[in-house]
Parts: sequence; C-alpha cells; structure tokens
Amino acid sequence: AAGVIQSPRHLIKEKRETATLKCYPIPRHDTVYWYQQGPGQDPQFLISFYEKMQSDKGSIPDRFSAQQFSDYHSELNMSSLELGDSALYFCASSKTGGTAKNIQYFGAGTRLSVL
Amino acid sequence: AQKVTQAQTEISVVEKEDVTLDCVYETRDTTYYLFWYKQPPSGELVFLIRRNSFDEQNEISGRYSWNFQKSTSSFNFTITASQVVDSAVYFCALSEFTGGGADGLTFGKGTHLIIQP
Repeated sequence: AAGVIQSPRHLIKEKRETATLKCYPIPRHDTVYWYQQGPGQDPQFLISFYEKMQSDKGSIPDRFSAQQFSDYHSELNMSSLELGDSALYFCASSKTGGTAKNIQYFGAGTRLSVL
Repeated sequence: AQKVTQAQTEISVVEKEDVTLDCVYETRDTTYYLFWYKQPPSGELVFLIRRNSFDEQNEISGRYSWNFQKSTSSFNFTITASQVVDSAVYFCALSEFTGGGADGLTFGKGTHLIIQP
C-alpha cells in the first residue's frame, strides 16, 4: 500500500539559509500534518491542513510557513535556519471519512542538519 | 490543555517476558482519540492503535493488547511474550475529536523498550 512520501530524506544547510521540505500524502487522504522531533525528544506538532486550508496550529516558529496545494501535497518552508532547527521533520496524512478516519500515518521523515 | 505522561523512560526485559507500558493522559475534552505509535531504531513512526474516548472496550491484536480505563485516564499497552524485534521507543498520543479531524497529536515523552535475547 502507498505510504506518505517525504523528500528529501536528508538535508544539510548552513545557519541563516532556507529549506523546503515536501510531503506527498497517501492517495485520497485530505489532511496533512507536520511535526518536529529533536534528538531524544517526542514529536512536536507544528501545523496541519485540511482541504488546503490551515486547520490547526501548534508550536510552529514564525520563521516557518507551510501550505497544502491543489494535489494535496504539502511543503514546509523554513527560513533563517538556526542550529536548534536541526531535527527530524515528519509529515503525516489522514482522511476524514471511513473506518480509518483521523488516523495519522507518518512518512519516514526528513532529517535536517543545520551547521 | 492536553497532556500525556509516560512515566517509564526505559524498560529492559528478557525475551519472552510480558511487559506493560503505562500511559496517563489529561484533557478537558469529553471526546478525544488515544493512540500508540512505535518508533524503531530506523526512525519511522508506525501506527499501532487508535481508540475513541467513548469506546472503552479493550483490544487484542496478536501479542499486543491495550487496556483503556477512562476512570483512571489511562491507556496501557501490553506486549505478551516479547521478542527482540519489539525493541523500540513507544509513544502514547492524544488528540481532540472534532468534525474536521485535523487536530495535531500531543505525544508523551516515550518509553524506550529494550528486549534482551
């Protein structure tokens, strides 16, 4: 079965640079979520989109922005990168109907290293 | 505000032993979802189970079982006859139950389970 696809899998950036992470949800899923997981930490919710509209907002820094496109894929844009942004970034997707309603399935993550 | 507490930071058992991972949650919502996810050393987050707050029926799936008790705000996870492949970090998580269904998960700190051969 198709899963959530994230790209790139690994990304190395310098301080103050920008980064764009991409997420392709499971087919027919209408909701995407972004999470940040620091080393040895639990995942922290950043933001979610339902039918291309922002739905819920967590602890997303003002330097970060995200959107969901007409094909339901999503991008997380990160500017003025700081050393503390080094983390594993997960995208998850879910659908709002059916028996698997609202179950979030996660991608493999993008490991961002800021040097 | 929502909160999930996994008091066991790390558990180490010998293969074939049974092990229970504890999860206690706090929420003001009357309807909510509870989840367990597994994060093996490879790093991905694997969905294990979701329960609705109005469904307290316990569930068994192979060697895995879950005990949901609303009265004590707990959602514990038991692995029977543990195997080395069960070694991973296990996260308990909570989310609101809304019509839109796009609410973020609040995770516990995770329990690192080590199964020794």
